[in-house]
Amino acid sequence: AQSVTQPDIHITVSEGASLELRCNYSYGATPYLFWYVQSPGQGLQLLLKYFSGDTLVQGIKGFEAEFKRSQSSFNLRKPSVHWSDAAEYFCAVTGGFKTIFGAGTRLFVKA
Amino acid sequence: DTGVSQNPRHKITKRGQNVTFRCDPISEHNRLYWYRQTLGQGPEFLTYFQNEAQLEKSRLLSDRFSAERPKGSFSTLEIQRTEQGDSAMYLCASSSPGQTGEQYFGPGTRLTVT
Repeated sequence: AQSVTQPDIHITVSEGASLELRCNYSYGATPYLFWYVQSPGQGLQLLLKYFSGDTLVQGIKGFEAEFKRSQSSFNLRKPSVHWSDAAEYFCAVTGGFKTIFGAGTRLFVKA
Repeated sequence: DTGVSQNPRHKITKRGQNVTFRCDPISEHNRLYWYRQTLGQGPEFLTYFQNEAQLEKSRLLSDRFSAERPKGSFSTLEIQRTEQGDSAMYLCASSSPGQTGEQYFGPGTRLTVT
């Protein structure tokens, strides 16, 4: 069965520091993987996606993610966090018509 | 591109009442999804439409829940005889055929059942 695990419920980083959010998935075939961000009162916004090819994918707002098949991981990274990045981040996997989301990681940014 | 819109944004109802939510997808998108999101959780898939056809339903969607997309444009989600456990954010998303899994989300309808 498909599943997505985000081990960290919340993470706090200092503004300007680097960020890595972890995501592990379980899926029987080649997965379609996504990261979404949700700010308070806003809908989910797609940050980036992986379908195939280059395992390092670039997204919006300076985010990138690396697909590692051997580790079943798709971790999200950003070299320098801005205060406006404080939000909840969701990793997701799609198979067929159904998308499975992780429980999310809330990012806090301190000045 | 006006994005996905959902109405109402907030709904407070008493237990046992029926409620209906509306979703207007991006106009050229033929795929439409409904999700439910509770506090501290990611969105949970409820149902999927391709044009007017409802192609998949989650087992989470009990008999009290029904969704329609009569003309392949907007969709409605109805909950009958609401229960306190139905309190959640209900999200709608849409996508086009060439965007496998890439979905555009509306702002959601927050339901509170008292």
